Amino acid sequence: NAGVMQNPRHLVRRRGQEARLRCSPMKGHSHVYWYRQLPEEGLKFMVYLQKENIIDESGMPKERFSAEFPKEGPSILRIQQVVRGDSAAYFCASSPKTVPNEKLFFGSGTQLSVL
Amino acid sequence: RKEVEQDPGPFNVPEGATVAFNCTYSNSASQSFFWYRQDCRKEPKLLMSVYSSGNEDGRFTAQLNRASQYISLLIRDSKLSDSATYLCVVVGYGGATNKLIFGTGTLLAVQP
Repeated sequence: NAGVMQNPRHLVRRRGQEARLRCSPMKGHSHVYWYRQLPEEGLKFMVYLQKENIIDESGMPKERFSAEFPKEGPSILRIQQVVRGDSAAYFCASSPKTVPNEKLFFGSGTQLSVL
Repeated sequence: RKEVEQDPGPFNVPEGATVAFNCTYSNSASQSFFWYRQDCRKEPKLLMSVYSSGNEDGRFTAQLNRASQYISLLIRDSKLSDSATYLCVVVGYGGATNKLIFGTGTLLAVQP
């Protein structure tokens, strides 16, 4: 029973490039959350998705960031025209039900480094 | 004021010591609370939920004081393997959905 799978583990991009981060939730989980952790800071909520729907994107920066969770395949967090300030650890979490009824299971994260 | 506040530490304690972490939250409507543990920038893992009556899991005890909007975690008989960052987590209500709101974490270093 695989846990939440994120890839890549490490991603290096130059300023102006695009970054695509992928997250496959645990089997049977239809709720996906993305969090960002900047150096020396706590985890910040970005977006909450269910299959084919964005439920809450109140934590997403207004520009350059987008997320999707298609009917088939992993959830994708996309960052266009990356800047150095986007360097962070991006964690995905999944749950079978809406928080707080079930705990969140986190993936190992993607460490994004922008040169 | 931050939604969830924690003392960042570090707390440097010898093996066998008892250590307590505190956390305050700003939204009095919050109903669910957790402690997560994070090792060396790895993924956070649930340590325990926090209930109004307080709860204990082995060497770990969590307490909630709703009147003061304050949560605590007590670790007894500290082990080297307890060294980690402890994250206070509150379920935030409002907006479209509920979501976990994390404190910045308290770093614990248990010394041999």
